Amino acid sequence: NAGVTQTPKFQVLKTGQSMTLQCAQDMNHNSMYWYRQDPGMGLRLIYYSASEGTTDKGEVPNGYNVSRLNKREFSLRLESAAPSQTSVYFCASSKVYRTGTGELFFGEGSRLTVL
Amino acid sequence: DAKTTQPPSMDCAEGRAANLPCNHSTISGNEYVYWYRQIHSQGPQYIIHGLKNNETNEMASLIITEDRKSSTLILPHATLRDTAVYYCIGTDKLIFGTGTRLQVFP
Repeated sequence: NAGVTQTPKFQVLKTGQSMTLQCAQDMNHNSMYWYRQDPGMGLRLIYYSASEGTTDKGEVPNGYNVSRLNKREFSLRLESAAPSQTSVYFCASSKVYRTGTGELFFGEGSRLTVL
Repeated sequence: DAKTTQPPSMDCAEGRAANLPCNHSTISGNEYVYWYRQIHSQGPQYIIHGLKNNETNEMASLIITEDRKSSTLILPHATLRDTAVYYCIGTDKLIFGTGTRLQVFP
């Protein structure tokens, strides 16, 4: 039982390059999320998908796009990477959104460095 | 929005109870409080959650004040492996603050 799987785990980009972070969950969860965590900081919500077919902005959506490809997969795209996007990115999923049964399950993180 | 406030750091002796407070004075009436912890740079791990009543599971206990403006996570017998950053969040916006860095010492 893999839970939440993120790829790649590490990536180095040059400023202006684009890339997509992939996330897949095998728990049949309805809701999925992308967070970023900068050194010494808490997690900040970038985008979320409360259910298949919907996506919404979180706290820090600028510079990112997302796609909920199907119920299992939720990808995060950086169209033109900037050094300020150097961070650790976490994908999470939950059975439902915003309720008492909505505990978040996190992936191991993707460490992105933009030079 | 339920913005939470936690002390930045706490220490606890191994074997003693660790009591981690969280202020969530703006929480709405139907909004749950969740606790997570993050060990090193791993993804956060769920610990416990509650709405109004106190809760207990195999990992911890959660005490929520009657007015729901604050809560306390209790690790009854802290071990070195409990050294981590602990976050309390509300389910409305799922916003993680900077949490409390708990250091358990021998």
